Amino acid sequence: DAKTTQPTSMDCAEGRAANLPCNHSTISGNEYVYWYRQIHSQGPQYIIHGLKNNETNEMASLIITEDRKSSTLILPHATLRDTAVYYCIVTSRIMDSNYQLIWGAGTKLIIKP
Amino acid sequence: DAGITQSPRHKVTETGTPVTLRCHQTENHRYMYWYRQDPGHGLRLIHYSYGVKDTDKGEVSDGYSVSRSKTEDFLLTLESATSSQTSVYFCAISGTRGYNEQFFGPGTRLTVL
Repeated sequence: DAKTTQPTSMDCAEGRAANLPCNHSTISGNEYVYWYRQIHSQGPQYIIHGLKNNETNEMASLIITEDRKSSTLILPHATLRDTAVYYCIVTSRIMDSNYQLIWGAGTKLIIKP
Repeated sequence: DAGITQSPRHKVTETGTPVTLRCHQTENHRYMYWYRQDPGHGLRLIHYSYGVKDTDKGEVSDGYSVSRSKTEDFLLTLESATSSQTSVYFCAISGTRGYNEQFFGPGTRLTVL
């Protein structure tokens, strides 16, 4: 089972910041938070990841709470092309025999004109 | 975009026939993965490879086999296709930036009648 909880769907107005929450209350010390998105019918796309510090790249910002039990992905100026399903995944970076990314149902983000 | 191609992109076959899907990469990445995606489920890992001739099972490996004889190619075989294997299959690769940062191919839509 996925180690994360995300809302099923969200709306956001074009040009506004989209804030996507994720709860991961059972995260352990060596586990990272990864975000991917999947635009309709395409393969998933890596967005960003973090351990405990906030992270920013050209696509998004990731805010992780101090206790690491939740995080928020921020798309600063959402466009219609950001309409997609967004997946929050918690995983260790250590390869072991049971390694795999566990994908939940994600949040369907709809950007409205 | 990472150089990943999948072939065929669409296939319709009959129950009991063998099917092979091909994933080809031009990135020289070490890790390659096969996922399936079904309505109501997130992506589920079928098999993965961590090098030439080195493969391991994922969450839903029953009924599937894989081979990797070259760095650039990862083959997924359904020895005797069943209707429950109707799905969209995604190949992914990862390497220099960590195996959790995966780049996905465009997908293969397989229908087993």
